[in-house]
Amino acid sequence: GQQLNQSPQSMFIQEGEDVSMNCTSSSIFNTWLWYKQDPGEGPVLLIALYKAGELTSNGRLTAQFGITRKDSFLNISASIPSDVGIYFCAGFNAGGTSYGKLTFGQGTILTVHP
Amino acid sequence: SQTIHQWPATLVQPVGSPLSLECTVEGTSNPNLYWYRQAAGRGLQLLFYSVGIGQISSEVPQNLSASRPQDRQFILSSKKLLLSDSGFYLCAWRGENQPQHFGDGTRLSIL
Repeated sequence: GQQLNQSPQSMFIQEGEDVSMNCTSSSIFNTWLWYKQDPGEGPVLLIALYKAGELTSNGRLTAQFGITRKDSFLNISASIPSDVGIYFCAGFNAGGTSYGKLTFGQGTILTVHP
Repeated sequence: SQTIHQWPATLVQPVGSPLSLECTVEGTSNPNLYWYRQAAGRGLQLLFYSVGIGQISSEVPQNLSASRPQDRQFILSSKKLLLSDSGFYLCAWRGENQPQHFGDGTRLSIL
């Protein structure tokens, strides 16, 4: 099935650095989501974006819903060791016959060195 | 508030044995429910989803089946496990026009 193009696939950064990752799609979504997954646990929703052009923050995290509705980015400022994990973007179209099914990116593995 | 429970957290089963993984949701009614499999910590593959009691849609052909005997209960089953069924299984729920929320997963190892 379709998969979002998420980049980079992995990042190795020093504590305190800023992080940026993005997702692109060949088709339009009306909702973009960003999840974080810690080892051995399920993904946890970080940010949900519902409008094209929307910029939303959650603490040190900021995400934007692209104007074309085909892309989104996530920024993490001043990274800390607990930011380590896998970050997934996901798109879906609420309503209709999509039944809320998500299309996921491949994930970005983030490693933060103290 | 809504919560989702999956059990067991880990499971080791021999090849050819049956499987039953359970997922329950609290604090919501008529959720959409989903089963995913994740291999090697990357890439969530949607296996089944359900929009109501007794309504199951399969996304990929496989050795597994799903059932929804109650509104907030979703079960993943197999009659005879294969080695290739090993992986991390995640259940998720979604309310109307809401994002999906995931459980903590079950790590299944087949020996």
